[in-house]
Amino acid sequence: GAGVSQSPRYKVAKRGQDVALRCDPISGHVSLFWYQQALGQGPEFLTYFQNEAQLDKSGLPSDRFFAERPEGSVSTLKIQRTQQEDSAVYLCASSLVQGGYGYTFGSGTRLTVV
Amino acid sequence: DQQVKQNSPSLSVQEGRISILNCDYTNSMFDYFLWYKKYPAEGPTFLISISSIKDKNEDGRFTVFLNKSAKHLSLHIVPSQPGDSAVYFCAASDRGSTLGRLYFGRGTQLTVWP
Repeated sequence: GAGVSQSPRYKVAKRGQDVALRCDPISGHVSLFWYQQALGQGPEFLTYFQNEAQLDKSGLPSDRFFAERPEGSVSTLKIQRTQQEDSAVYLCASSLVQGGYGYTFGSGTRLTVV
Repeated sequence: DQQVKQNSPSLSVQEGRISILNCDYTNSMFDYFLWYKKYPAEGPTFLISISSIKDKNEDGRFTVFLNKSAKHLSLHIVPSQPGDSAVYFCAASDRGSTLGRLYFGRGTQLTVWP
């Protein structure tokens, strides 16, 4: 596609529920990033994929967070047993080159845990 | 611990005048800096970047200045236009140790009024 596509745009989850957030990067982009943006804050790094390999997951806040990109294109961020502090906008970004910095962000998924 | 700081949450400027957005960082290993612009309900969009080997980079109406000794950078927009009204994020990276991971500030809301 022309840009990075994220779905759903909005998700309301009850505390304790599992959620899955999807990211479709720009076709052919090698690098894929997930960021979390809490209200009033800047984006914070969660994890990085180069093709299907997850090279950095140091930003994942707990073992309830899991990300995958099995075929090197679409990625899914899964949050198990959601808690209120997980409420945030989850941004996905992709880059054509390995470690590219001026990457393209999607519009994000706004997750609200109630 | 916030490694990239944008101490002004908002800035209001008249159309045609200069907008100056400031950013400070604490990590001396950062060697690449970017500015992103974000409109409501959209993901951040890459605007301009600068490497630590330079002290200035210009792209049309946008100029970024880097003062390594002060660990400070600024974005100048001249002349400012109403369409520039958005949240501006400063971001930094240590290219030697991370694969594209960016550290973001909290953002500055720029409002350009006619």
